[in-house]
Amino acid sequence: QLQLQESGPGLVKPSETLSLTCTVSGASISTTNYYWDWIRQPPVKGLEWIGRISYSGTIYYNPSLKSRVTISADTSKNQFSLMLSSVTAADTAVYYCARLVGGLGFDYWGQGNLVSVSS
Amino acid sequence: DVVLTQTPLSSPVSLGQPASISCKSSQSLLHSDGNTYLNWLQQRPGQPPRLLIYKISNRFSGVPDRFTGSGAGTDFTLKISRVEAEDVGVYYCTQASQLPYTFGQGTKLEIK
Repeated sequence: QLQLQESGPGLVKPSETLSLTCTVSGASISTTNYYWDWIRQPPVKGLEWIGRISYSGTIYYNPSLKSRVTISADTSKNQFSLMLSSVTAADTAVYYCARLVGGLGFDYWGQGNLVSVSS
Repeated sequence: DVVLTQTPLSSPVSLGQPASISCKSSQSLLHSDGNTYLNWLQQRPGQPPRLLIYKISNRFSGVPDRFTGSGAGTDFTLKISRVEAEDVGVYYCTQASQLPYTFGQGTKLEIK
């Protein structure tokens, strides 16, 4: 059974960098046709796709966040990570990691990590 | 970016009655590979989203057959034939035909 688990601080100060890691168990992040994505959901709002890293290491960011986002992967630990720089209160959200299978969609999600931006 | 517009934004439904949610796309979601990657997600209160329907009309593993997806091009619909208490939550359409992936605003399904 595939499981994704986000980890990271729940509170970040304005102007600092938010860092989250998603640990994947039950599947290798290097498996062909798997894409590993970050999605966020501000309180009482909808979903926003942040970006992804593919099984081969190809990365794509949402242009709306591209200047501040870095996604990377550590295949030895079967993890992928998100960094979002220069955060403001508008970045307060539940951050989800999810797997997208080519031809299918987002089939597995982590439970989410609430990150609040506040001094 | 592809804009997905859902209607209604709120849907009070009596138990056992049908429900329908519309999702309209700002542009065609037909991918160059011939598939249309329009999916539906369900988010129950306090839970992460869950995949219900993929490629317009395919139910994901474990999804009850009372959920049906349909549509083509830019107009899509999710129907629940008989609403049950466990169906309460927010439903999102999402597209994976074009990067960046986008989501509809969400439709809140509640029991009347």
